[in-house]
Amino acid sequence: NAGVTQTPKFQVLKTGQSMTLQCAQDMNHEYMSWYRQDPGMGLRLIHYSVGAGITDQGEVPNGYNVSRSTTEDFPLRLLSAAPSQTSVYFCASSSIQGAETEAFFGQGTRLTVV
Amino acid sequence: KNQVEQSPQSLIILEGKNCTLQCNYTVSPFSNLRWYKQDTGRGPVSLTIMTFSENTKSNGRYTATLDADTKQSSLHITASQLSDSASYICVVSPHYSGGFKTIFGAGTRLFVKA
Repeated sequence: NAGVTQTPKFQVLKTGQSMTLQCAQDMNHEYMSWYRQDPGMGLRLIHYSVGAGITDQGEVPNGYNVSRSTTEDFPLRLLSAAPSQTSVYFCASSSIQGAETEAFFGQGTRLTVV
Repeated sequence: KNQVEQSPQSLIILEGKNCTLQCNYTVSPFSNLRWYKQDTGRGPVSLTIMTFSENTKSNGRYTATLDADTKQSSLHITASQLSDSASYICVVSPHYSGGFKTIFGAGTRLFVKA
């Protein structure tokens, strides 16, 4: 009963480096999304996907890329890390059906860019 | 601009006491309103989900209320326990997005002391 699994849990990058945050879910959910959480602010949507092969931008997409080749996986790529991308990143998934759609979150990836 | 405002920012209560957290929103129309609990270092976990036509929803010692006329929601915690120490996040989904593009409040940080 894994739910949403994110890796790694912690990561330190140097400015300009690239990396991929992994997210996998085993609930056959159509909808997956990436958020970042910064102190004193609500979670902000980076990118989302409503199904394999379909992605779209959220509120703060600059500096990030995503792809959805399978239903299960939704990786987030940082192209050239910047200190402003220091944050905690959460992946979430949910079923599309109905108004009472519960989102399930991963445990988060704490990223520090130095 | 759609917003979700939560109060207080933080709250300290003694174990066994009750407390009420507030959420004011400007999102209209909306599909659903959710309350999440986020333990330190973990992802948010859903407590309650209410559609616009519901007034109250309970989950054990947690009771959420919704007043769509005043655009206010509250989360009442009864007989608090040390394990209730966490951030509580109010989340509203605009109707047009079908519940996907959610707007997160910044959360209320609750500390329960023995």
